[in-house]
Amino acid sequence: NFMLTQPHSVSESPGKTVTISCTGSSGSIASNYVQWYQQRPGSAPTTVIYEDNQRPSGVPDRFSGSIDSSSNSASLTISGLKTEDEADYYCQSYDSSNLGVFGGGTKLTVL
Amino acid sequence: QVQLVQSGAEVKKPGASVKVSCKASGYTFTGYYMHWLRQAPGQGLEWMGWINPNSGGTNYAQKFQGRVTMTRDTSISTAYMELSRLRSDDTAVYYCARDHRAGMVRGVIIHYWGQGTLVTVSS
Repeated sequence: NFMLTQPHSVSESPGKTVTISCTGSSGSIASNYVQWYQQRPGSAPTTVIYEDNQRPSGVPDRFSGSIDSSSNSASLTISGLKTEDEADYYCQSYDSSNLGVFGGGTKLTVL
Repeated sequence: QVQLVQSGAEVKKPGASVKVSCKASGYTFTGYYMHWLRQAPGQGLEWMGWINPNSGGTNYAQKFQGRVTMTRDTSISTAYMELSRLRSDDTAVYYCARDHRAGMVRGVIIHYWGQGTLVTVSS
């Protein structure tokens, strides 16, 4: 079964840059698009990156996504961190049967 | 603007069924797949399946096969997710979410989310 693995938590200071990784268990993570979702406490998720590196309208360009085939991983990078970026972040893709797969989520703390 | 408005919280007994609705507006309902996901308390997101509102075709995660049924009513732009034989570990917030791409698509790319519906299973 295809799985996505994320770090449980990351922390960084306001104004800094943080990168959250998402590693695929098998096959090539580049074969299917990766999405990233932000979920603030008590709220529904929102989409911050889709199709590896595309931002929905309204998402600031401080958010960027990338794929690294050499490490079979995707990354979400947030620059110029703000306290409002503190949230859980989930990566998501799909397997060879086109079924959705989520990473376990990463809690971002902005100290 | 795209909106997905879900039905209210439910409390069910073990063994019962629950049906959650998701009313869509701001776009052509039949043009985009609708996904259903859930999130147990303190846990991560779990994808349950999708429905193609145009054809009624569905694709369910293996874990929910035989217990979940996704349907739609195109006349009122509403999708439904029914989960049967409820257990205590089905207690979760259930979300509907629209795919990003129009037409018949491959895989899962979510763009818009509903507000969530809390389903509590307790005797």
